[in-house]
Parts: sequence; structure tokens; C-alpha cells
Amino acid sequence: ETGVTQSPTHLIKTRGQQVTLRCSSQSGHNTVSWYQQALGQGPQFIFQYYREEENGRGNFPPRFSGLQFPNYSSELNVNALELDDSALYLCASSLDRGHEQFFGPGTRLTVL
Amino acid sequence: DQQVKQNSPSLSVQEGRISILNCDYTNSMFDYFLWYKKYPAEGPTFLISISSIKDKNEDGRFTVFLNKSAKHLSLHIVPSQPGDSAVYFCAASATSGTYKYIFGTGTRLKVLA
Repeated sequence: ETGVTQSPTHLIKTRGQQVTLRCSSQSGHNTVSWYQQALGQGPQFIFQYYREEENGRGNFPPRFSGLQFPNYSSELNVNALELDDSALYLCASSLDRGHEQFFGPGTRLTVL
Repeated sequence: DQQVKQNSPSLSVQEGRISILNCDYTNSMFDYFLWYKKYPAEGPTFLISISSIKDKNEDGRFTVFLNKSAKHLSLHIVPSQPGDSAVYFCAASATSGTYKYIFGTGTRLKVLA
């Protein structure tokens, strides 16, 4: 049973650019949630996808968008990057929107 | 507005003693609570959870207590071990609607050998 994987591990972008982060959910899981963790803070919920549909969204602007594929892997896209977008981006998978979420190691995004 | 608060950024405990990590919340709609442990360069790992219909849940060395009237939960680790040294996050969710979890800012636990 493979765990949650994320790519890339690290990424450096400049302001105004666009970025795509990827997540492969744990085998058998059909729900993926994305979180942003700024330095010294807890993870903040961005959105959740369940069976390829968005199932809830946190307080993030529309330039944060996502996608879930038929194999339940997921992408997080961020347009028009801002300096404050620098953070660790975590994805977590679960079964049927269950409470127990399994997190990936995260993607560290730095915006210069 | 921080709906889930962990007011102690750090805690040091001697090996073998009890570690108590605290978490307060403000939203009375929250009805499910979780604790996660995070090591550097890894994602958070689920530890233990509790539903609002209970006031205690135990799993080995880990026990979570929930006081709904005080909107307070705590995680007890007994006995503490050096491998428990990590950042601990509590998270809360209102299960009506989406399973959106609100996390606290974390408490860094250091267990001294």
C-alpha cells in the first residue's frame, strides 16, 4: 500500500508566475484535501475534492484552483503568485471524506 | 479569528513523565477533533481522534479528553518517550457539510532523556 506522495519537493517561483503542485492519494482513497502551512502556523484548509468534484473550500482567493483526476490524484494550481504564497503545501487523502486523513510530505514553495 | 488555539508554543517534559498538550476552540459547531504529530520534513501523522459524543478516547499511551462546556481538549501522553518529540497539532471539524478541518498553530514537544 503506497502512501500519499507529492511533487515536486521544492519549488522556487517569482511573483506573478503560475505553479502546479501534484498529489497522488493513498491507494483506495477517493478524497483529497489541500492545505497551506505558513511558517509557524498550522495547516490552513484550501479545498477538498471528492470523486472529482470540489467538496468544500476555505478562505482562499479564486487564483487557487484544483482538479482531481479519475485515478483520484490531484493538482493544486496557483495563478499570479504573491510573496505571501510562500509556504509548505500539504495534501491529504482519505476514504469517502473520512476523518482520518493521511498527509503527504508536502511541497515547499518559495516565491521571490 | 483563530477558531482553534494552542496557546503553548512549546513544552519540555522528562522521559517517563506525562506530557499534556492543550487546545481550545471557539466554534460550538465543531463536533470532531483530531490530534496530529509532525516530524520535520514529513507531513502530519494522525494520532488520535474524538467525537463530541464522547469525553475521552484512549489509544495506548495516548489519551484525548474533551470538555465541551469549556470548549477545551487535551492530549495526554504517558509515559513520554524521546521519540515523541515533535510538533503536535489539534484540528477540529463540523461534520455537517464538508469535512473542513481547522488546525491550531501547534505545540512543539521535547521529551528529554
